[in-house]
Amino acid sequence: EADIYQTPRYLVIGTGKKITLECSQTMGHDKMYWYQQDPGMELHLIHYSYGVNSTEKGDLSSESTVSRIRTEHFPLTLESARPSHTSQYLCASSVSGDGYTFGSGTRLTVV
Amino acid sequence: GENVEQHPSTLSVQEGDSAVIKCTYSDSASNYFPWYKQELGKGPQLIIDIRSNVGEKKDQRIAVTLNKTAKHFSLHITETQPEDSAVYFCASKAAGNKLTFGGGTRVLVKP
Repeated sequence: EADIYQTPRYLVIGTGKKITLECSQTMGHDKMYWYQQDPGMELHLIHYSYGVNSTEKGDLSSESTVSRIRTEHFPLTLESARPSHTSQYLCASSVSGDGYTFGSGTRLTVV
Repeated sequence: GENVEQHPSTLSVQEGDSAVIKCTYSDSASNYFPWYKQELGKGPQLIIDIRSNVGEKKDQRIAVTLNKTAKHFSLHITETQPEDSAVYFCASKAAGNKLTFGGGTRVLVKP
């Protein structure tokens, strides 16, 4: 059973709203990642962190921001949601950078 | 950077038949190759992985083969069952780097 949790599972929100997607893991993993998954299946890395106070942008440009104040918590924030942000967001963690453990995802719809 | 190509993008097989998914990678320094299975409404889950010092690895009905010279690796599922229907992702990683994922294969096992 994966010990990485994402909330909410589903979110429908209006354009211009600020949202925070939560991701927490209880495994003590230093490395954490955020992926955006489009309807075509592909996984796009948007942010990652290798430890507390360390965050980096991923391969896909994103208007979202992240923070890593605690090892177990890696929230993603959108200051002003737009319809183009509608997607599935997946959080993952890893101890060594090899096998990732993924959360169940948050499906975001911006109307 | 690393590029991973995955084929086919969709695969339909009859229950009991075998399924094969192939991936090629570009970075000859890649040394870790995991496979993930993503069921509907869930995050990807690691099902098997292989390192560059091994040519083949088996776990019950699934196996992965690696050809370092040709820079490709494959996932083999034997005696497919309806519960094998899912999206499968290959990935590769060079030391110190992040995983690079393939585009995914949607597998449908017809009863």
